[in-house]
Amino acid sequence: QKEVEQDPGPLSVPEGAIVSLNCTYSNSAFQYFMWYRQYSRKGPELLMYTYSSGNKEDGRFTAQVDKSSKYISLFIRDSQPSDSATYLCAMSANTGNQFYFGTGTSLTVIP
Amino acid sequence: EAQVTQNPRYLITVTGKKLTVTCSQNMNHEYMSWYRQDPGLGLRQIYYSMNVEVTDKGDVPEGYKVSRKEKRNFPLILESPSPNQTSLYFCASSLVGQGGGQPQHFGDGTRLSIL
Repeated sequence: QKEVEQDPGPLSVPEGAIVSLNCTYSNSAFQYFMWYRQYSRKGPELLMYTYSSGNKEDGRFTAQVDKSSKYISLFIRDSQPSDSATYLCAMSANTGNQFYFGTGTSLTVIP
Repeated sequence: EAQVTQNPRYLITVTGKKLTVTCSQNMNHEYMSWYRQDPGLGLRQIYYSMNVEVTDKGDVPEGYKVSRKEKRNFPLILESPSPNQTSLYFCASSLVGQGGGQPQHFGDGTRLSIL
């Protein structure tokens, strides 16, 4: 079983829609949760970073962590064509020197 | 500008010919790491380093070497490359937090093709 599972999509939504991206994980030691956005031919860039459970909001982006279900989500409100990219979840344990990434979800926002 | 710089960005080479991919960061980060990205497999960690002269294996270290002689540099060495090492490689760096898991800054990638 993979440490982190993520639906690869692709996901296609109209501009202005709310997008929900999700990852599940198996290792209960994970405490640090990240979402990265990756444009074609570029490296991943950090979008959201959370520690332990709860919600975190930054502009149009909201990250949620449910440790009891081993499930994390990223919500994008009022999606824009510029949000079209691959979204990667990543996790690390409390003694975390190793990071585990999902395979990424490809998102297209149609004008 | 804060950045992680990888070179080369693209390389086509042949089996068995030793190669080095360089990585340099200008953020004074202690932690540096190498990943490979393959379709359907996502990003997988090859090696990481917590500080100068300290390196550890990630999930897929076979066939790779690293060294950390200076804080800013973390080269990835393929002593005898094979076609299964054809991939997109990323270098990343971050601060070291008390509990670990600090978010990383990534370079723009090196696409290696080994024939």
